[in-house]
Amino acid sequence: GAGVSQSPSNKVTEKGKDVELRCDPISGHTALYWYRQSLGQGLEFLIYFQGNSAPDKSGLPSDRFSAERTGGSVSTLTIQRTQQEDSAVYLCASTPTSGSDTQYFGPGTRLTVL
Amino acid sequence: QKEVEQDPGPLSVPEGAIVSLNCTYSNSAFQYFMWYRQYSRKGPELLMYTYSSGNKEDGRFTAQVDKSSKYISLFIRDSQPSDSATYLCAMRRPGQNNAGNMLTFGGGTRLMVKP
Repeated sequence: GAGVSQSPSNKVTEKGKDVELRCDPISGHTALYWYRQSLGQGLEFLIYFQGNSAPDKSGLPSDRFSAERTGGSVSTLTIQRTQQEDSAVYLCASTPTSGSDTQYFGPGTRLTVL
Repeated sequence: QKEVEQDPGPLSVPEGAIVSLNCTYSNSAFQYFMWYRQYSRKGPELLMYTYSSGNKEDGRFTAQVDKSSKYISLFIRDSQPSDSATYLCAMRRPGQNNAGNMLTFGGGTRLMVKP
């Protein structure tokens, strides 16, 4: 079956612009995570969605970052007024339930802010 | 200080060598341990999962956990060029419900296996 997909695969933008990153989780997976991976760094947790519950936004680095998950499926991560330090790979992962440790990752979106 | 420390490498070995990858952690509350493999330009994929001290073997891979020393290892026997990737350790605390099963990742070790 299809895995987690993310689009675009690469995004180059100018400082100050807004960007939207999209994640399509595996069909039927109820939990969805966003992570950020900077060069040579581990994965930094950003936000978590589980079903219809309120998302856990505790990892978002600033109020310029926001995310939505519509209909319990597709998620969009929005970064407003991008800064150069936002340059990173943004990874999305989904799991069948909130109790699963096996996170299925998408290929990521490589964001470059000039 | 980071909760999970991992040598970034790169670690370069000849084909057939035994590879040892390690992580140390500071929080004794971590009880579940994972190793993810990440090929270039791809997302991480789960390789090994363990929740107890000791060894767990799966083919050429062995995961080892020493909770008393807060130290985990991944051993790869008979390494192959196809094993060249970044290996990330990950761990979590039990009953962590405020963010599902939020994992804390190490920074990853880049491994290169040369033919």
